[in-house]
Amino acid sequence: GENVEQHPSTLSVQEGDSAVIKCTYSDSASNYFPWYKQELGKRPQLIIDIRSNVGEKKDQRIAVTLNKTAKHFSLHITETQPEDSAVYFCAAPSKTSYDKVIFGPGTSLSVIP
Amino acid sequence: TAGITQAPTSQILAAGRSMTLRCTQDMRHNAMYWYRQDLGLGLRLIHYSNTAGTTGKGEVPDGYSVSRANTDDFPLTLASAVPSQTSVYFCASSPDSSRQYGYTFGSGTRLTVV
Repeated sequence: GENVEQHPSTLSVQEGDSAVIKCTYSDSASNYFPWYKQELGKRPQLIIDIRSNVGEKKDQRIAVTLNKTAKHFSLHITETQPEDSAVYFCAAPSKTSYDKVIFGPGTSLSVIP
Repeated sequence: TAGITQAPTSQILAAGRSMTLRCTQDMRHNAMYWYRQDLGLGLRLIHYSNTAGTTGKGEVPDGYSVSRANTDDFPLTLASAVPSQTSVYFCASSPDSSRQYGYTFGSGTRLTVV
């Protein structure tokens, strides 16, 4: 079946370093790409999104870049802090169902103080 | 505070019993969703509703039912609970089903079926 891939599945960085998580999707008609953060025991929360008419979007220490040709988009976190430790999910529209999205399997980020 | 309210926060349920998980939103979102989250399996869609009065099946609908009598409420019912339904359940909503907007999630219901 269709899926949305995320890499890596786990990521450990030193505080202050950068982290990059990549998400690959299948539907070339997709035009909205969100990233969610889920802290341990909490709900997923939308942290940043991008639409297909731009290649990059920034919000303070986080950014998302989009490569529509290669069908992937990436989450960039700079100057990581311990509170960035969480599971991050990407999502992309389903290729087979016009009204559903597919979530990636998640990337567990650990920021080591 | 605007958002989604889920109840109960957690529940222990005997196998074979029925239960309804409640979900209410005050954002006037048209689309609502129910997901279950299990370790290693990510977020899996159970049922969804694109607008009041309509519902659809997601990836793992068996053993669950939903209704959407109005815009605000989207309850999930387990008719006869089984241990494999032990999970964390999240309700979510979006302004519409166009997939042009992110989802707002509730705080979740942790269900244990014994």
